[in-house]
Amino acid sequence: EAQVTQNPRYLITVTGKKLTVTCSQNMNHEYMSWYRQDPGLGLRQIYYSMNVEVTDKGDVPEGYKVSRKEKRNFPLILESPSPNQTSLYFCASSLWGSYGYTFGSGTRLTVV
Amino acid sequence: EDQVTQSPEALRLQEGESSSLNCSYTVSGLRGLFWYRQDPGKGPEFLFTLYSAGEEKEKERLKATLTKKESFLHITAPKPEDSATYLCAGTIQGAQKLVFGQGTRLTINP
Repeated sequence: EAQVTQNPRYLITVTGKKLTVTCSQNMNHEYMSWYRQDPGLGLRQIYYSMNVEVTDKGDVPEGYKVSRKEKRNFPLILESPSPNQTSLYFCASSLWGSYGYTFGSGTRLTVV
Repeated sequence: EDQVTQSPEALRLQEGESSSLNCSYTVSGLRGLFWYRQDPGKGPEFLFTLYSAGEEKEKERLKATLTKKESFLHITAPKPEDSATYLCAGTIQGAQKLVFGQGTRLTINP
């Protein structure tokens, strides 16, 4: 089954404790992206990747890092999480950046 | 600034009561207009892509249409299982992202 898999689904952490949210896709898509979803603000792009070793900032990249060492994986790293990063995070993949996305099931992150 | 605006924010209908959701966009060089369905706590699920004015797509009780300024998602004789948030998104030439609207939260009462 074609899918984007994120882990974990839920995460509660403390301020400053580094964490990684994993994302993997099995569709051989070139393009992958991370979004966060907040009430009243909708879905906003954090980072995206056009291919292996090619990443770029989206609209809200502050406090986040990404890497793309393999085509199928695109982890999101929060090196020093803060409470304002409490949000619902989605990974998405696509054939290319302007095409329709396939989204993962989401990771609900709470930073206390 | 490229923007996608959806209306209404929320819509409550009775089962079988048809209606339409609106998505207006102010983006230069629109390459595609997408509709997604999102259930609470889940990832958006792809419904339709529209590329040019006049284009229409249908799936079960849903039909999406596109003009030069806006898109409509028409829902005909809805059922309670159609309750969800419907998201509209646009993509522009040269940009590597979808720009999403805020969504319309649709509730169908039995």
